[in-house]
Amino acid sequence: AQKITQTQPGMFVQEKEAVTLDCTYDTSDPSYGLFWYKQPSSGEMIFLIYQGSYDQQNATEGRYSLNFQKARKSANLVISASQLGDSAMYFCAMREGRTNTDKLIFGTGTRLQVFP
Amino acid sequence: IAGITQAPTSQILAAGRRMTLRCTQDMRHNAMYWYRQDLGLGLRLIHYSNTAGTTGKGEVPDGYSVSRANTDDFPLTLASAVPSQTSVYFCASSEFLSGTGKDTQYFGPGTRLTVL
Repeated sequence: AQKITQTQPGMFVQEKEAVTLDCTYDTSDPSYGLFWYKQPSSGEMIFLIYQGSYDQQNATEGRYSLNFQKARKSANLVISASQLGDSAMYFCAMREGRTNTDKLIFGTGTRLQVFP
Repeated sequence: IAGITQAPTSQILAAGRRMTLRCTQDMRHNAMYWYRQDLGLGLRLIHYSNTAGTTGKGEVPDGYSVSRANTDDFPLTLASAVPSQTSVYFCASSEFLSGTGKDTQYFGPGTRLTVL
């Protein structure tokens, strides 16, 4: 079974609008971390935001926020006020605490295109 | 500028040849990782190392080997390349301080490998 599921292969959003990228996860480990990375066309992987399983509040980093719904096992990324430069692939990833490593399990990604 | 460097940037390789992808980090991170990225599959972990002198297998280790002689370097070797190893390879590192929660992984720029 997939541990990280991103059901949206592609998304379109108009500049200055907000967009939500979906991510659901599957783990029985009570301690885990959830990450979002951005991969622009240049290919590098850029860390955006992190949410720990015990964090009481949703994580925010500038225009990025993570809508963490633990009971639903979802960790959706919300990008507010989209910019043309936000066009990229976005990957959700999970780190499980019981593995005793920081290794990440990635979803298959969502390609976001921002249009003027 | 601190970070992770990978070499080569890209390589075309004949099947059956041996190839080593190099990865060096200057952040003094304990842990390092190798992922491969394939279209539609996201990033999958090949091997990892929590600290110098130790290594572990990831999700797709077959056909690859790694070593971790020191903190900074984590080379990935393909002993006898096959076409299915055509992919983009990313090296990453993290502090790996268990219990601190936010052990973000930072990625290198990637190596694009084509095996013919």
